Amino acid sequence: EPEVTQTPSHQVTQMGQEVILRCVPISNHLYFYWYRQILGQKVEFLVSFYNNEISEKSEIFDDQFSVERPDGSNFTLKIRSTKLEDSAMYFCASRPRARSMNTEAFFGQGTRLTVV
Amino acid sequence: ILNVEQSPQSLHVQEGDSTNFTCSFPSSNFYALHWYRWETAKSPEALFVMTLNGDEKKKGRISATLNTKEGYSYLYIKGSQPEDSATYLCAFNNAGNMLTFGGGTRLMVKP
Repeated sequence: EPEVTQTPSHQVTQMGQEVILRCVPISNHLYFYWYRQILGQKVEFLVSFYNNEISEKSEIFDDQFSVERPDGSNFTLKIRSTKLEDSAMYFCASRPRARSMNTEAFFGQGTRLTVV
Repeated sequence: ILNVEQSPQSLHVQEGDSTNFTCSFPSSNFYALHWYRWETAKSPEALFVMTLNGDEKKKGRISATLNTKEGYSYLYIKGSQPEDSATYLCAFNNAGNMLTFGGGTRLMVKP
């Protein structure tokens, strides 16, 4: 069964360092997302990506964040200068059709980012 | 800011018990309501995507109902089994593309 894969499963980084989280969405999917969950809090939307551009982003997704689909298969989230409060589980997700009411999102297993 | 709430936060039941939990969401700009099952160290897995008021969906022992006018959905598990232990997340989809999640209900089923 096709699945969304994320690497690495766990990343530890020093405050101020750049980090890139990688995702391989399901191959025929059109919409791609990043969500995160800070420990003890709700899962929060960061950004959605369609047709090689950002379609929506939340207030969390400031200039320190960027997304890219460099080669038609990978979907990456870059944090330029990590802060302690960026420590969270980051989830990638994809959906097969654009703006379809019946479309479930398929999630990866997450990357746990720890900023020290 | 969209407010999606789930109750209870956690639930301990005995094997064989039936249980239910609630998701409340805004009743305006409704597009869809998603339920996900999330086991530790695994990906959240979609259970249901519900779109119509009054809709009821079923998958094995798990079912869900939807009331879009009053803004709530119930998830029911009949005859809970230890393998049902997981966090159950609901997520509200408005006319935009993003999902707004509730805090989840953590279910623990004791053998």
